[in-house]
Amino acid sequence: QAQLVESGGGVVQPGKSLRLSCVASGFSFSKFGMHWVRQAPGRGLEWVAFISYDGSNNKVADSVKGRFTISRDNSNNTLYLQMNSLRIEETGVYSCARDIGGDFSYFEPWGQGTLVTVSS
Amino acid sequence: DIQMTQSPSSLSASVGDRVTITCRASQSISYYINWYQLKPGKAPKILIYGASNLQSGVPSRFRGSASGTDFTLTISNLQPEDFATYFCQQTYRFPYTFGQGTRLEI
Repeated sequence: QAQLVESGGGVVQPGKSLRLSCVASGFSFSKFGMHWVRQAPGRGLEWVAFISYDGSNNKVADSVKGRFTISRDNSNNTLYLQMNSLRIEETGVYSCARDIGGDFSYFEPWGQGTLVTVSS
Repeated sequence: DIQMTQSPSSLSASVGDRVTITCRASQSISYYINWYQLKPGKAPKILIYGASNLQSGVPSRFRGSASGTDFTLTISNLQPEDFATYFCQQTYRFPYTFGQGTRLEI
C-alpha cells in the first residue's frame, strides 16, 4: 500500500538550515501532488508547502516564504523540504502527505513525521 | 486565510454513545472539508472527504454533514478504537488550514 517515510530531522541552531526528505513507495509518486505539514508541540496542524505532481507548481505558507523550498525527485520517489533560517518556534514534527487530488483534495497517506528541534 | 474554528476542544464520552464535532469556516468553502483521525504515534487517517464522503474502509458509524459554513462529524455507537483526536481541514483555497482538533476521551 502507499507509504511515506520522512527523514532528516534533528537538532539545529536558530538561523541554521536543514533538509527533510520523504520517500514514497507503493504508488506512482510522479502522478500526485505532495504536501508538507507541521505540528508544533501542544499546537494544531499547520500546512507548510505543496508541490504539483511534476514540480511545475508549488506554494508555501506565508510564514515560511523566502526561507523554505519544496522540491521533488520523481526518478527517486522523493520529496524534499529545504528549510533555511530556522526559528525556535518552528520546532515540531514535520510530515509529508500525498494529495489525492480529483474533485476533492485530501491527504492520504501521511508519513509518521520527523522531529525538528530548533534550539541554541 | 480561511479560519477553521473547531469545537469542542475536548469531549468525554462512553462506548456506545453518539458524539458530534463541529467546524465552522470563516468564509464559504463549498464542500471542501475533510476530517481526519489522529492517534498517538500514528499518522493521521482520512475519515471523510468532501464534507460527506466516507473514505473506503472507514466504518459507516462515521458521518459528515454540511450546512452553509458549518460542518459536522458525527460518530455513532462509539467503539473503544474511536477514542482519539479528530480535526478538520479545508482544501478550498491555499493556504489549506486545519481546525485546532478535538480530543475524544473515554
